[in-house]
Amino acid sequence: ETGVTQTPRHLVMGMTNKKSLKCEQHLGHNAMYWYKQSAKKPLELMFVYNFKEQTENNSVPSRFSPECPNSSHLFLHLHTLQPEDSALYLCASSQEPGTAGNTIYFGEGSWLTVV
Amino acid sequence: GDSVTQMEGPVTLSEEAFLTINCTYTATGYPSLFWYVQYPGEGLQLLLKATKADDKGSNKGFEATYRKETTSFHLEKGSVQVSDSAVYFCALSPWPDTGNQFYFGTGTSLTVIP
Repeated sequence: ETGVTQTPRHLVMGMTNKKSLKCEQHLGHNAMYWYKQSAKKPLELMFVYNFKEQTENNSVPSRFSPECPNSSHLFLHLHTLQPEDSALYLCASSQEPGTAGNTIYFGEGSWLTVV
Repeated sequence: GDSVTQMEGPVTLSEEAFLTINCTYTATGYPSLFWYVQYPGEGLQLLLKATKADDKGSNKGFEATYRKETTSFHLEKGSVQVSDSAVYFCALSPWPDTGNQFYFGTGTSLTVIP
């Protein structure tokens, strides 16, 4: 039990499909993140939300569309993906920036395969 | 800018061997430092952390000491087990100027053989 829950854990989708990844945090945090982890590559920050407002979009293609309806929930909407988008997508949460000793907590990830 | 550099892997050790994974950082201010562990098929889990110089973080037999003079936060364990096989990430949280960023190393893969 990490305090950050992601669903689904595994997803296979075709290049023309539309799907969504869901994340929920139970830690009372105000910042939420999406990271992409591909084989043999460093962890890539995709999006950051603070108090439901997007504060960072790290040059992510528009086929990835985040949504943060409140501080506890974060979605990543996926459409017309490419095979190279196959990866582990990690959701995370933390206290808001400016907090001393701020710690980031991750969910277990959603394994995405694009066929 | 702030950054973290950790030793390249993979690392292979026999059970009960001593483990060191090196991590150095570059940062202004007073960052917090972390080690995360990722077991196969899972997300990153916080292993230990230290929030100020000379602090020692410890958990599950792992230790790391925040050394400001050498800008290091090396991970150590006296006797590794097969169950410690995982990827280990060193990370940094800047302070007071945080922005939105946490900085991660590239990860070090550890395999422990019986």
